[in-house]
Amino acid sequence: AQSVAQPEDQVNVAEGNPLTVKCTYSVSGNPYLFWYVQYPNRGLQFLLKYITGDNLVKGSYGFEAEFNKSQTSFHLKKPSALVSDSALYFCAVRDNFGNEKLTFGTGTRLTIIP
Amino acid sequence: KAGVTQTPRYLIKTRGQQVTLSCSPISGHRSVSWYQQTPGQGLQFLFEYFSETQRNKGNFPGRFSGRQFSNSRSEMNVSTLELGDSALYLCASSRTGPANTGELFFGEGSRLTVL
Repeated sequence: AQSVAQPEDQVNVAEGNPLTVKCTYSVSGNPYLFWYVQYPNRGLQFLLKYITGDNLVKGSYGFEAEFNKSQTSFHLKKPSALVSDSALYFCAVRDNFGNEKLTFGTGTRLTIIP
Repeated sequence: KAGVTQTPRYLIKTRGQQVTLSCSPISGHRSVSWYQQTPGQGLQFLFEYFSETQRNKGNFPGRFSGRQFSNSRSEMNVSTLELGDSALYLCASSRTGPANTGELFFGEGSRLTVL
């Protein structure tokens, strides 16, 4: 069975500092990994994905993520945090394209401190 | 291009009642999935429909059901509501076949409160 873990419930970062939101995964085959962001009382917005290719993936709003197969990790990063980045972030995995089911992590609440 | 549309956005029901939620996918998307989001259980997969057929189902009781119409619009129904069914219900759509880029596109959700 596929799974993802987000070890931190809460991450606080000062505005302008780099941020990292951690995610590790477990799948039996090749992983397809995703990051989504959720603002209060809203749905999930897609940020970026790793399907294949370069280990460093760039996405929306200046976010990027690094796929590390040996450490089974897919950490979300941004070089300089904005107050508007404050939100709930979810890592997700699917194990193949024939199965549309995403398995989500428990979420990490990111707070950017002005 | 319009996104995934879910109706209603908010609703309040009492225990024992039933509820129907609606989802219109992005034009051209033929797969529709449903997820339940609660503070305690997080995001959990309910079911996925493609071409009016349920292709995948999560671990929820039979009170939770869904269907998909020929225009890809989908509905989910919860019967005999329980307090624990209070949640944000999210619908997502995606392309299928060679055009599948992997990500799901989510609607804003329907927030159900059961009293």
